[in-house]
Amino acid sequence: AQSVTQPDIHITVSEGASLELRCNYSYGATPYLFWYVQSPGQGLQLLLKYFSGDTLVQGIKGFEAEFKRSQSSFNLRKPSVHWSDAAEYFCAVQSTGFQKLVFGTGTRLLVSP
Amino acid sequence: GAGVSQSPSNKVTEKGKDVELRCDPISGHTALYWYRQSLGQGLEFLIYFQGNSAPDKSGLPSDRFSAERTGGSVSTLTIQRTQQEDSAVYLCASSFTPGGGSTEAFFGQGTRLTVV
Repeated sequence: AQSVTQPDIHITVSEGASLELRCNYSYGATPYLFWYVQSPGQGLQLLLKYFSGDTLVQGIKGFEAEFKRSQSSFNLRKPSVHWSDAAEYFCAVQSTGFQKLVFGTGTRLLVSP
Repeated sequence: GAGVSQSPSNKVTEKGKDVELRCDPISGHTALYWYRQSLGQGLEFLIYFQGNSAPDKSGLPSDRFSAERTGGSVSTLTIQRTQQEDSAVYLCASSFTPGGGSTEAFFGQGTRLTVV
């Protein structure tokens, strides 16, 4: 069964510093990959997605993620974090559109002044 | 509607009572999910509907939980004989899956269930 691991439960980053959130998945083939963000009291919003093609994908709010097949990873990055980026970030995988979407346990990002 | 709609937004119920949570997906979306998010926890998969296929119920935590999707659209999640540990935010999402491909899942705002 496919699974998603987000090894970091909490991460604290200074405002203006760079950010990388880790995501590893377990699946035999290349799945569809997603990053979602959940701000306090809000629903989940899609940041970006990878289906195929270019392994570096750009998303909203200045985020990007890189798919590395050899490492089964799909890490989320942002070059300069803003205080408004403080939220919970979820990585998700889906083997095909006919299979369920599986989420990691999330990483809570704290931004210090 | 423009997005996934869930009702009620908040529900307080007494232990032992049954509750029904409703989800109206985006029109035309073939896939519908239910997830549970407990305080400070991640998203726990509950059930997944895909078109006319048999639902994937592998995430339902007990036989007190059930869900149906009528006419391939509206879904109802039912929790019987509620327990305090059922208190959580229940999230619904829908997506369009053309020919087995994938598009993003759109989430509703959730129903916050409190069992007292």
